[in-house]
Amino acid sequence: EAGVTQFPSHSVIEKGQTVTLRCDPISGHDNLYWYRRVMGKEIKFLLHFVKESKQDESGMPNNRFLAERTGGTYSTLKVQPAELEDSGVYFCASSQLAGGADTQYFGPGTRLTVL
Amino acid sequence: EDQVTQSPEALRLQEGESSSLNCSYTVSGLRGLFWYRQDPGKGPEFLFTLYSAGEEKEKERLKATLTKKESFLHITAPKPEDSATYLCAVPGDNFNKFYFGSGTKLNVKP
Repeated sequence: EAGVTQFPSHSVIEKGQTVTLRCDPISGHDNLYWYRRVMGKEIKFLLHFVKESKQDESGMPNNRFLAERTGGTYSTLKVQPAELEDSGVYFCASSQLAGGADTQYFGPGTRLTVL
Repeated sequence: EDQVTQSPEALRLQEGESSSLNCSYTVSGLRGLFWYRQDPGKGPEFLFTLYSAGEEKEKERLKATLTKKESFLHITAPKPEDSATYLCAVPGDNFNKFYFGSGTKLNVKP
């Protein structure tokens, strides 16, 4: 069974540019999560989808970040315009059931560098 | 907000030298505690879930235990391939989000 995949693995952009990250969850997993780890800090929650609906976006830093999950399959996370502090590793995870009832399986992450 | 604290930040062991990693948490009601292993350049890889105090889980040289306030990851006779960062996480109130600790970076020397 294929795991969670993310694209690209690395992205280097200039401040002010736009970047779109993609996540493909494990097939059949309705729950999809985005997390971020910035340098020297712990992994932090950004948002949670159940199918195509946003259940919790309390961790999104600001309105420069837009997540979508059209059709309830893959998800994209767009950063526009990117700022220096957006640099970090963005992880996507998926699960069949929510949080405490089920395990979240993580993708390899996208390392974003904003120059 | 729920807090998860891991110690030590880094641990250096000789091959075969057993030790334990700690994860302490402050949550209003535990909904499970998850251990992950993360290798450089990769995403967290699931190891164990513990749901109630007194529960134990084992996998090869790893054993995870849980009390009401903390969890331990015991590593028995580690090998160099056990070198990685070990993360613990707890779900939030609505199960949606995991709160992660900062991790323990384990280095096992041959």
